[in-house]
Amino acid sequence: AQSVTQLDSQVPVFEEAPVELRCNYSSSVSVYLFWYVQYPNQGLQLLLKYLSGSTLVKGINGFEAEFNKSQTSFHLRKPSVHISDTAEYFCAVSEDTDKLIFGTGTRLQVFP
Amino acid sequence: EAGVTQFPSHSVIEKGQTVTLRCDPISGHDNLYWYRRVMGKEIKFLLHFVKESKQDESGMPNNRFLAERTGGTYSTLKVQPAELEDSGVYFCASSVTGTGLYFGPGTRLTVL
Repeated sequence: AQSVTQLDSQVPVFEEAPVELRCNYSSSVSVYLFWYVQYPNQGLQLLLKYLSGSTLVKGINGFEAEFNKSQTSFHLRKPSVHISDTAEYFCAVSEDTDKLIFGTGTRLQVFP
Repeated sequence: EAGVTQFPSHSVIEKGQTVTLRCDPISGHDNLYWYRRVMGKEIKFLLHFVKESKQDESGMPNNRFLAERTGGTYSTLKVQPAELEDSGVYFCASSVTGTGLYFGPGTRLTVL
């Protein structure tokens, strides 16, 4: 069975600082990996996805993630965060790109 | 292009009552998914429609939940009778197979 672990439930950071949101997964088969973001009072928005190819994936709003198969990780990074990045971030895994298994989410709080 | 819409945005009902949630997917999307997030936990898959047919309903918690997708367009999720543990945010998503999910804003259900 697949599972996703997001160890950090909350990550506080100051504006313009770098941030890394951690995601580890377990699966017995090849998977596709996703990061979604939920801004306050909005739905889930796809940030980026890894389907195949280059292990470094670039997404919207300056975010990127690196797929590391040996460490079964897909950490999300941004070199300099903005106040508007305050949101909840969800890592997800799937065998078929559509039926997603989500982690518990990480709340990113950016302070001025 | 309109996104996935869900109605209502919030619903507060008493234990034992019935509630019906509606999802309108993006036009042309054959796949429609329901997910649920119980407070503080991960977002969990409930079921998957392909057009009007239920492809996978392995995530439905019990027989108090009934999902339909009339004519392969919009979908409804009825909870009858509602219990306290049904409280949470219900997300709908739609897709064209293999392109990734587009989520709606969710319906926040509170059962008192």
